[in-house]
Amino acid sequence: SAVISQKPSRDICQRGTSLTIQCQVDSQVTMMFWYRQQPGQSLTLIATANQGSEATYESGFVIDKFPISRPNLTFSTLTVSNMSPEDSSIYLCSVHTHTGELFFGEGSRLTVL
Amino acid sequence: GENVEQHPSTLSVQEGDSAVIKCTYSDSASNYFPWYKQELGKGPQLIIDIRSNVGEKKDQRIAVTLNKTAKHFSLHITETQPEDSAVYFCAASFTGTASKLTFGTGTRLQVTL
Repeated sequence: SAVISQKPSRDICQRGTSLTIQCQVDSQVTMMFWYRQQPGQSLTLIATANQGSEATYESGFVIDKFPISRPNLTFSTLTVSNMSPEDSSIYLCSVHTHTGELFFGEGSRLTVL
Repeated sequence: GENVEQHPSTLSVQEGDSAVIKCTYSDSASNYFPWYKQELGKGPQLIIDIRSNVGEKKDQRIAVTLNKTAKHFSLHITETQPEDSAVYFCAASFTGTASKLTFGTGTRLQVTL
């Protein structure tokens, strides 16, 4: 398994501002992903964080709204830009290990007023 | 793309009884099927997974069965305990690993005393 640290764990933000979420894993992993979980809903993949290059976004998600960085094998950030109340969700960092399994962090609970 | 359906959406059982959650998938190429448990305020936790070359897998009180012909897989929890109360998500991937997972809609399991 992998130990994943995400921060902040929760935040309340004003409309129109941006928030950056950090994800640190305790070991080198093959892939890092960012998921969104809207209240009471399932998990939706936002993008794959690629080390040293632009992230790969899923349909419905764009770089201008969710810029992602991954400067090395164990760290990634997700920014939620120009936030609106519809962005209120749990944002989850996840890592894909060499054994082919996916592990999640505890999530960052974002409320936009 | 892949579509995963999960039933039931809520399930209430008495302590000591068994619980069964079922998922169906649409893409016959899918070959990796993990199950996650999400407790309130926490990130999803991988509890068991199965690959398409195996029909059943057990881990103590938890088992997963896979029927490739019918394209469905199930989670079985025996001798349920109050700490089993959580939301459970199934998922499917065609890569043989946890990359590109498609999640089901979740089942809220309540174990009553």
